[in-house]
Amino acid sequence: DSGVTQTPKHLITATGQRVTLRCSPRSGDLSVYWYQQSLDQGLQFLIQYYNGEERAKGNILERFSAQQFPDLHSELNLSSLELGDSALYFCASSVIGGGPDTQYFGPGTRLTVL
Amino acid sequence: DAKTTQPPSMDCAEGRAANLPCNHSTISGNEYVYWYRQIHSQGPQYIIHGLKNNETNEMASLIITEDRKSSTLILPHATLRDTAVYYCIVKEVDSGAGSYQLTFGKGTKLSVIP
Repeated sequence: DSGVTQTPKHLITATGQRVTLRCSPRSGDLSVYWYQQSLDQGLQFLIQYYNGEERAKGNILERFSAQQFPDLHSELNLSSLELGDSALYFCASSVIGGGPDTQYFGPGTRLTVL
Repeated sequence: DAKTTQPPSMDCAEGRAANLPCNHSTISGNEYVYWYRQIHSQGPQYIIHGLKNNETNEMASLIITEDRKSSTLILPHATLRDTAVYYCIVKEVDSGAGSYQLTFGKGTKLSVIP
């Protein structure tokens, strides 16, 4: 158990819909990262937050957005969903988001878009 | 693009040492070598990291060559539960306000055989 929690574990929805994925980082960690893992693309970095502020963006679509709240939990919002958005979404957290800082991953949310 | 090269798959007999190689010939002075593994579709699990010295923890040992262009992850006594995809990742670490996302390649699928 990494100490990172994600809800829900599974999500099934239809094309065009909007969903929200939630992540609670390990106690004391200030930085949160979101990654997407699909069958054809592998594990890809989406976005990073540090202490409530966006720090970096990766291959995140404009239909996707995220935020980190004052209690440091984070939410990833996916809208206008397409079949290709079906994937595993992982959240990771680390203490400061820089230096030789280790990221610890949550168990993931499996999103299925029908 | 991932900065590392790993064999796509390896087999190891249960109880024997598993030696997983990784080439990172373009590694720079401020980049660490990190190893993660992913068991089935679970969240990636941190194993170990190092800069230039060999490292050991309760899970594994990391041997980095003197020129830092390659490394080997050693699982001393592989068990069936070590069957997973192992990712070798080089990550920049500096004190700037940069982003420190992990860039995953395809990894090595290790199969531990009874």
